[in-house]
Amino acid sequence: DVKVTQSSRYLVKRTGEKVFLECVQDMDHENMFWYRQDPGLGLRLIYFSYDVKMKEKGDIPEGYSVSREKKERFSLILESASTNQTSMYLCASSLYDYGYTFGSGTRLTVV
Amino acid sequence: SQQGEEDPQALSIQEGENATMNCSYKTSINNLQWYRQNSGRGLVHLILIRSNEREKHSGRLRVTLDTSKKSSSLLITASRAADTASYFCATDAKNYGQNFVFGPGTRLSVLP
Repeated sequence: DVKVTQSSRYLVKRTGEKVFLECVQDMDHENMFWYRQDPGLGLRLIYFSYDVKMKEKGDIPEGYSVSREKKERFSLILESASTNQTSMYLCASSLYDYGYTFGSGTRLTVV
Repeated sequence: SQQGEEDPQALSIQEGENATMNCSYKTSINNLQWYRQNSGRGLVHLILIRSNEREKHSGRLRVTLDTSKKSSSLLITASRAADTASYFCATDAKNYGQNFVFGPGTRLSVLP
C-alpha cells in the first residue's frame, strides 16, 4: 500500500523554536506539497516541489522554508515558531496531474 | 484567490438517503478532483474527472462536470454513517501547473 508518512501526529512547540516537519513518500512521486488547514480557511498551499532540490512558494510561504534533498523526503521548516502557526499541516505527493496522496497530518500547537 | 467553492457548507441526512454536494469554480480547468477527509485525518482522493468528461462513477459515488457552468457535483447514493466526513473539490490552477486548489469543503453528517 502506497504511503505518505508524516513524522508526528501531534506536536507542541514553544514560541521562537525552530520546528521541522518531516514527510516521506514511497511512491517515487515527482511532486510534493505542504498545506496548512485551518477552520473556515480550508487548505492553503505553503510550498511545493516538482523535483529534488527544487522548491516553489505557494500562497502563504511567509515564516516557512522547505528542503528536498532526496526525492522521497520533503521537509517543512518553521524558522521561528509563532502562535499563529498553530494549525494542521498536511503533506501530499502526486505524479504529474493525478490525484494527491495525503499523509495523516501533523497537528502543531505553538505555545 | 480561491478556485473551487463547495455548496452547501454543511449537509445532514439520514442513512440510506442520497447526498449531493456541488462545486463551482472560476477559471478554466484541465481536471477536477474530489476528496474526503475524516475528522482530524488527511484527505483521501475519491475521483478525478477531466475537462473532456461529463460524468464518472466509482462505487456509490457519481461525479458530474459541466464546464459551461464551471461546476461539478458529487452524489453519494445510499449513504452510510461511515460517509460522515468533509468533502472537498480541488481544481488545477493553471498558474501553478500541476498544483490543485482546494475549496473550503462540505461537512456531511449521515445520521443513523
